[in-house]
Amino acid sequence: NAGVTQTPKFRILKIGQSMTLQCTQDMNHNYMYWYRQDPGMGLKLIYYSVGAGITDKGEVPNGYNVSRSTTEDFPLRLELAAPSQTSVYFCASRQGDNEQFFGPGTRLTVL
Amino acid sequence: AQRVTQPEKLLSVFKGAPVELKCNYSYSGSPELFWYVQYSRQRLQLLLRHISRESIKGFTADLNKGETSFHLKKPFAQEEDSAMYYCALTGGSNYKLTFGKGTLLTVNP
Repeated sequence: NAGVTQTPKFRILKIGQSMTLQCTQDMNHNYMYWYRQDPGMGLKLIYYSVGAGITDKGEVPNGYNVSRSTTEDFPLRLELAAPSQTSVYFCASRQGDNEQFFGPGTRLTVL
Repeated sequence: AQRVTQPEKLLSVFKGAPVELKCNYSYSGSPELFWYVQYSRQRLQLLLRHISRESIKGFTADLNKGETSFHLKKPFAQEEDSAMYYCALTGGSNYKLTFGKGTLLTVNP
């Protein structure tokens, strides 16, 4: 199993550009999550999904959108990138109350 | 609202010394507490969860409901323990994790 994979690893965006951060898991987990990690701030939940077709907002959803058309994929969309969205983004998945597995992260810079 | 507090941003100890990373939480129900570790340039990985009551890599953590704490301890720190440590809790049916701000542990030779 590859576990949780994320692409791209790095990306630089200009203000106002859009992009999609990809996340895929091959463990057939029902729960998936997107977090952002900012220095000195820990991880904050952006969006999460309890299964295909079901998504909900986390703590910091503004400026982002998600979809969950399949169990495996949970892409995160930035429509109008802003400097405040410069961060490291982590995707995670879990099955029920078992361990939550994290992806390797995407480092995004918005200039 | 649920909250996790890690009072130390940075913690520096010498190899062989005991180490304790502090974590306090607030939650109205019965939370599940975790410690995650992130080594340099690596993904977060689970270190401990309180319900398993295990010792991983020599680390232990005991949930103290009276003090609402879940401090991480190791009697003899090693250089390879240098990493960022996050305390986290989850409660409710969607298993959303709330993280503390993290403590960067440096173990000096």
